[in-house]
Order: sequence, then structure tokens, then C-alpha cells
Amino acid sequence: DAGITQSPRYKITETGRQVTLMCHQTWSHSYMFWYRQDLGHGLRLIYYSAAADITDKGEVPDGYVVSRSKTENFPLTLESATRSQTSVYFCASRIHGQGASDTQYFGPGTRLTVL
Amino acid sequence: GDSVTQMEGPVTLSEEAFLTINCTYTATGYPSLFWYVQYPGEGLQLLLKATKADDKGSNKGFEATYRKETTSFHLEKGSVQVSDSAVYFCALSPPPFRGSNYKLTFGKGTLLTVNP
Repeated sequence: DAGITQSPRYKITETGRQVTLMCHQTWSHSYMFWYRQDLGHGLRLIYYSAAADITDKGEVPDGYVVSRSKTENFPLTLESATRSQTSVYFCASRIHGQGASDTQYFGPGTRLTVL
Repeated sequence: GDSVTQMEGPVTLSEEAFLTINCTYTATGYPSLFWYVQYPGEGLQLLLKATKADDKGSNKGFEATYRKETTSFHLEKGSVQVSDSAVYFCALSPPPFRGSNYKLTFGKGTLLTVNP
């Protein structure tokens, strides 16, 4: 089914381990985003990408790495996980342009717990 | 920088009550404004949006009007249902000519619980 998917949906890891969260969209949207959701903070932008091989930092990028070799995939890597990175992570995408294309579409989220 | 402030929750209402969730913003120019809804255990879904001043977004009985003079985008519904229980997020996206790359700035969210 078309849309935006994230995997895994749930992940438990230990401090210091590397973790990669996957995001895949089938719409060929130019823009993709990673947010984290924490109580009392709403959603905060980690990284975004305007196209394949073009990425940029958001509000809270420290401790994260992204890549985008293909338009449809935008993986997020925690190089050395810390407890403060326990959160729910959402991927989103949108097309390039104004007006009706303003909408960002969100994936179902990945709940990450770092022990 | 851009910011969104929405009323603190949680909000608890009885079924058929009137709902208002306040949202104000700080941004340069004319951003696009959004309300997203997150049902328990799910991702965010767009509820409604408005892209210019005085526009009214509406969906599923919810409404919000883009008020430039008060920099507000309050969410309203005349008669809430139990199924409306969710977290509601107000968000803005700056005008594209500012080179914003369409980043969304979110409020902290308001948890709404509707009791039968």
C-alpha cells in the first residue's frame, strides 16, 4: 500500500549502541523530515532533506546522522545511543511547492527506548 | 525565530460540549498554519490548514480561522464526541520565499479527553 512507513515500530537498545531507524515513502516526495516527540516539547525537527543527497540540520541534530541516497528512503542513525534519546521518532514527507502541497504526511512512528 | 504557543492541557470535556483550543504564533510574513491530530498509538494526521489571512480551515466538524491581526489559529468544534479524544498540535510552516525548506514548527500539543 502506498504511503510512508517506518521500521521498526518499537526498539529497545542499550546505551552506546548504534541504532538505525528506517523511513520509506512511496510518493516520490522531494522533502523528508525526522522529528522526535517528547512530553512537554511537542515535536522537534532533527534533520530534513530537500532531495536525494541533500540534507540539513534541524533544531536538535546532535547525536544523529542521516543519509539519503535514494528519494524514497531517509534513514536516521543514532551513532552511540544515550538515554536522552529515548523518544518517539516520526518521519514525514511532502512535495516541493506551495498551496495545496503544503501538507506534511507522517509515518506511524518508532518508539525507541535506550536503557 | 518562529514559534507556536497552544493552550496547556489536558482538556477534559463531556460529549456534545463545545471545544476551543487556543493557538497563537510568532512568525514573519504569512506562514501556513495547520492543526494536526494524533490518536492514541498513531502518527500525526493533518486535521485542517489555512494558507492565508482570513482563511478558514475545516474538517470533521472542526474549524480554525487564520487571524493575522491577532496571530491566532484557534481550533473549535461545536459538539465533541468520544472519538475526538486525541492530542492536537498547532503548527506553522513559513512562506517558501524565506527559504524555510517547509520546516514545521509545532506547539507542545493539547491532550483532549471526551467522556461519554
